[in-house]
Amino acid sequence: AQSVTQPDIHITVSEGASLELRCNYSYGATPYLFWYVQSPGQGLQLLLKYFSGDTLVQGIKGFEAEFKRSQSSFNLRKPSVHWSDAAEYFCAVVPKFGNEKLTFGTGTRLTIIP
Amino acid sequence: DAGITQSPRYKITETGRQVTLMCHQTWSHSYMFWYRQDLGHGLRLIYYSAAADITDKGEVPDGYVVSRSKTENFPLTLESATRSQTSVYFCASWGQRNSPLHFGNGTRLTVT
Repeated sequence: AQSVTQPDIHITVSEGASLELRCNYSYGATPYLFWYVQSPGQGLQLLLKYFSGDTLVQGIKGFEAEFKRSQSSFNLRKPSVHWSDAAEYFCAVVPKFGNEKLTFGTGTRLTIIP
Repeated sequence: DAGITQSPRYKITETGRQVTLMCHQTWSHSYMFWYRQDLGHGLRLIYYSAAADITDKGEVPDGYVVSRSKTENFPLTLESATRSQTSVYFCASWGQRNSPLHFGNGTRLTVT
């Protein structure tokens, strides 16, 4: 069955420290991959997406993600977090062919400490 | 304003009542989706629609009904609300699969 896994429910990092949020997927073929961010009380905003080509993709707010086919992973990174990065982060995938259902991971809540 | 609008933002209803959540998008996107968000479950797909008059079930469709008579509107109806349907509901639209999903700001529904 197709699935998306975000193994970390909650992560706490210090302001200025680096960040990596993990995402693993289980699909028959490489799907389209997305990272979304949700601030409290808000909808979801797209951070970045991977369709094909360069496996390191740049997004908004200084985020980047690296697609690793061998590991079925699409981890999100930021070199230096800011207090405003505190939010919930969702990885999402959709198959390139077949059904159009976008499947989300369960999310990782990021807390920033001074 | 262009975008995707959900209404109401907040709704409190009683068990057994029918309630409809509205979703309107101005991009003429073919695809529209309804998700519910609950702690520990992330976003779960309730129903989606690939075009007007075409709808399909998602992961958790029981207790919900949708319709799509016009491309821009995708209302979600809870026929007889239950406490387990207390949640935050998000509508989203999508032009094509290699483009991002656009989300509304959500409707927080409380069933008492």
